[in-house]
Amino acid sequence: DSGVTQTPKHLITATGQRVTLRCSPRSGDLSVYWYQQSLDQGLQFLIQYYNGEERAKGNILERFSAQQFPDLHSELNLSSLELGDSALYFCASSVGSSGRAEQFFGPGTRLTVL
Amino acid sequence: GENVEQHPSTLSVQEGDSAVIKCTYSDSASNYFPWYKQELGKRPQLIIDIRSNVGEKKDQRIAVTLNKTAKHFSLHITETQPEDSAVYFCAPQTGTASKLTFGTGTRLQVTL
Repeated sequence: DSGVTQTPKHLITATGQRVTLRCSPRSGDLSVYWYQQSLDQGLQFLIQYYNGEERAKGNILERFSAQQFPDLHSELNLSSLELGDSALYFCASSVGSSGRAEQFFGPGTRLTVL
Repeated sequence: GENVEQHPSTLSVQEGDSAVIKCTYSDSASNYFPWYKQELGKRPQLIIDIRSNVGEKKDQRIAVTLNKTAKHFSLHITETQPEDSAVYFCAPQTGTASKLTFGTGTRLQVTL
């Protein structure tokens, strides 16, 4: 157990819908990262928040957005869902905002878009 | 952005043999080189990492070697066991950027 929690574990929805994925980082970690893992794209970085502020952006679609709340938990919002958004979404956390620190991954949320 | 390639994409070894996975990256400013292990349906977990001022690091049966000139680093697993079967990802990191750029993954199968 990494100490990072994600809910829900599984999510099944239809195209065009909107969903919210939730992540709670390890106690003491200020940075939260979101990654998407799909068969054709592999593991891709989406976005990072540090202490409530967006710190880095990766291959995140405009239909996707995220935020980090004062209690440091984070939510990833996916809207206008398409079949290709089906993937495993991981949240990770680390202590600092910069590199060279271990990132601890949560168990992931498996999203299926039908 | 960083281009990261891993070879081989699949690797099958017999229990007790060694396994080597190579990761090639493009950004010469990369300075942190972790390897993650992901078992089927599970989360990625860090198994070993190395920083740019070190050429080699070992932790029991696992080692990582770094060649900054050639821009590649390798994961070495000795005396492989069935529980080593998993997908392994390299994820070089650049400067102060904290995002991990994952390689394409190597599926290691350790057979009895």
